[in-house]
This record gives sequence, structure tokens and C-alpha cells, in this order.
Amino acid sequence: DAKTTQPTSMDCAEGRAANLPCNHSTISGNEYVYWYRQIHSQGPQYIIHGLKNNETNEMASLIITEDRKSSTLILPHATLRDTAVYYCIVRVDNAGNMLTFGGGTRLMVKP
Amino acid sequence: NAGVTQTPKFQVLKTGQSMTLQCAQDMNHEYMSWYRQDPGMGLRLIHYSVGAGITDQGEVPNGYNVSRSTTEDFPLRLLSAAPSQTSVYFCASSADRFPYEQYFGPGTRLTVT
Repeated sequence: DAKTTQPTSMDCAEGRAANLPCNHSTISGNEYVYWYRQIHSQGPQYIIHGLKNNETNEMASLIITEDRKSSTLILPHATLRDTAVYYCIVRVDNAGNMLTFGGGTRLMVKP
Repeated sequence: NAGVTQTPKFQVLKTGQSMTLQCAQDMNHEYMSWYRQDPGMGLRLIHYSVGAGITDQGEVPNGYNVSRSTTEDFPLRLLSAAPSQTSVYFCASSADRFPYEQYFGPGTRLTVT
């Protein structure tokens, strides 16, 4: 699986959009970008995934650059409950239940 | 649905003791996994299973055994606990089809003294 690089920490004001970047410059053509988050002491929670098109669901939007070497997770209106560690994971589509977690980005949403 | 449940929530062991961490899911998922998370780190895969009777090693399998006799249960056994196994252990399950969205349990916090 391709290696990812994320900032260690970020702050965001409550109600504003949180934009979390991820670099995956060695991504292969059959690798997807997944995002999970881990709220303090809890198990990780799936957010979204994408291949090359932008994706949106009820939790977030995922913007993948045209060359697929980086992506951005967008939380459109961050709340205090979005304070968590966000993990960007790149994996092939047949990797089954194996996830490789990096260090993630610790997002602090402030009032 | 209860989702993924883990017991116990907390455990303290002495070096050399053995124990089993329990994991169960009620979503009829074929895939199940065990991860450990050390302080300030991401999760690392210990063992995983793609169905009853089938298990395989992940990134950090040494010192742990697993078995999968039913679809619902995936226990993790510590054979002889060591202080290096002090960690938070998470169990996860997913359906056996893309995108393999994983559902995680609440974790077991283990301290080995």
C-alpha cells in the first residue's frame, strides 16, 4: 500500500469548514483513498473513500487531485464533536479487511 | 444491533499470565480483525480472518493467537503476557465485499505489569 503523509495537528473554528490534507504521491492506479477518524479513546470510524472522482456523503467530502497524488477531506461545518484524529489510508480494492494506519492528523475544533 | 462488542473493557495482568480478549459481532460479517494501538500511535494489525476457520497474521502477530470457530466470534489470546503488550486492543469487522468498511469495537485497555 502507498505511504501517506498528513500534518500532525490542525485547528479549526467551530462552524467553519475543516480541510484536512493528505499526500499520497506514490499511489497506484488500483489504490483507493480511505478516511477514518478516531474520537478520543473510541474505535476508529469510517468516513468516506474514493478512487479519482470527488465524493460526498452525509459526513464529509473527499477531493482527490487529478494526478491522484493528494487529497483533502472536508468537514463543511465543523462542530466540537468533530475533534478527533483523522487517518488517511491508501489501499488496493482487494485488500479485504486489512488497514494500515499512519499517525493521522489531530483536529481540534475550537469554540 | 449491538455491532462489535469487546470484553473486558479494562484488564491488568502480571508478566507471564495468559488471557483471552473476547470480540463478537452481530452483523453477519465474514471479515474480522484485531489491532493494537500504543500511546500516540496509529493502529497496527495483529491477526485477521476472512471467515470461520480461516485466520492469518498481520503486521505484529508475535505473542498472540487467534481462532475463528464461528462467524460471530473472534477471540484474541495472549499466551504469556509481557509489558510490551500493554496497549489498547481493537476488534473490527467488515462485510466481505468492497469497500470493506470496517466497524470497530470500543476497545480493551490492557496493562501488563
